[in-house]
Amino acid sequence: EVQLVESGGGLVQPGGSLRLSCAASGFTFSSYEMNWVRQAPGKGLEWVSYISSSGSTIYYADSVKGRFTISRDNAKNSLYLQMNSLRAEDTAVYYCTKGRGSRWGQGTLVTVSS
Amino acid sequence: DIQMTQSPSSLSASVGDRVTITCQASQDISNYLNWYQQKPGKAPKLLIYDASNLETGVPSRFSGSGSGTDFTFTISSLQPEDIATYYCQQYDNLPGPLTFGGGTKVEIK
Repeated sequence: EVQLVESGGGLVQPGGSLRLSCAASGFTFSSYEMNWVRQAPGKGLEWVSYISSSGSTIYYADSVKGRFTISRDNAKNSLYLQMNSLRAEDTAVYYCTKGRGSRWGQGTLVTVSS
Repeated sequence: DIQMTQSPSSLSASVGDRVTITCQASQDISNYLNWYQQKPGKAPKLLIYDASNLETGVPSRFSGSGSGTDFTFTISSLQPEDIATYYCQQYDNLPGPLTFGGGTKVEIK
């Protein structure tokens, strides 16, 4: 069974940093591109970042470019999102997704507030 | 970037009604479109991929159609458990931004 489990969310002050992790199981992680998608409270879905299966191709939404870094460790079946210079508008549930969206994790809540 | 315009933003229908949601892309995306269902407090669940293919295990009352710029999602007979918000999402320009529609909240009348 495919499982994606996010962790690392929490409360952080504006300007602070957090590192999200996504532990994957039940499929050959190294064969799949992965994405981070977020959802602000009461709002719709917003794509955040993409990484290819090898990690060689990476894209970011303009709203996070220069502040967030996506990475992966195929040996550990894990996906990461390093988030720096966090802003109030980054407050959201962050989901990792497999491939084109066939599976999603349960999400981890990031709250940016003083 | 490709924009996805989804309508309506909300609808109310009776159990057994046919429900239709539309999604329009700002440019030709072929059939590179997903439809998701999201219930409160839960992650989105893929229902339809490649515009018209039903994901395994999804009830057959859900269907999708369209190609190019205009797409339709249909629930043939609305059930109480279908109360949720539905989103379209394009993946034509993978690798690259995945754009979502604004969502349609479906309620029971």
